[in-house]
Amino acid sequence: AQKVTQAQTEISVVEKEDVTLDCVYETRDTTYYLFWYKQPPSGELVFLIRRNSFDEQNEISGRYSWNFQKSTSSFNFTITASQVVDSAVYFCALSESSGYSTLTFGKGTMLLVSP
Amino acid sequence: DVKVTQSSRYLVKRTGEKVFLECVQDMDHENMFWYRQDPGLGLRLIYFSYDVKMKEKGDIPEGYSVSREKKERFSLILESASTNQTSMYLCASRGGQAISGANVLTFGAGSRLTVL
Repeated sequence: AQKVTQAQTEISVVEKEDVTLDCVYETRDTTYYLFWYKQPPSGELVFLIRRNSFDEQNEISGRYSWNFQKSTSSFNFTITASQVVDSAVYFCALSESSGYSTLTFGKGTMLLVSP
Repeated sequence: DVKVTQSSRYLVKRTGEKVFLECVQDMDHENMFWYRQDPGLGLRLIYFSYDVKMKEKGDIPEGYSVSREKKERFSLILESASTNQTSMYLCASRGGQAISGANVLTFGAGSRLTVL
């Protein structure tokens, strides 16, 4: 069965600090997909990124970057120069390619960025 | 943009009441999902549907049922609400075939249900 672990329940930083959110996953499939979602205080989950298991290239999008390492089954998310607007709950999720490919979420990491 | 609309943002119900949570998507997506979100537990899948009139149990289906009579609408039903069903309920939709694990889920804003 697939599993996603986000060991950090809550992280507090001061604006402009860099912060890394950890995600470790378990799956038996060789083909799978990893996602990060952001849930701001308004409640709606917003898609941030998707990675497939065959693409280990790191990705950067503005202040956001993602580090995918199959060797350690990790898909970590770094925010550079954090801002107050980054305050949210962040979810890492996994979808396998077999069966109905439902999305399994980690328990989420609440990020609090203070001015 | 795909839009997923949940009919009620906040509901308060009494124990034993029958509760309907409605979800509508406007992009002709085949797959729809109901999750519940609780502090410390993240999102857990209740039911999903990969086609009209089709449904599959997720990880925590007990106490819930679903209905998908039309492609755009997916309803979550609590036959007899209980206090342990107080939670945030999130609906999502996804295009493509049932085994399209690559496709992105788009979520609604959520329905916060309180059962007294």
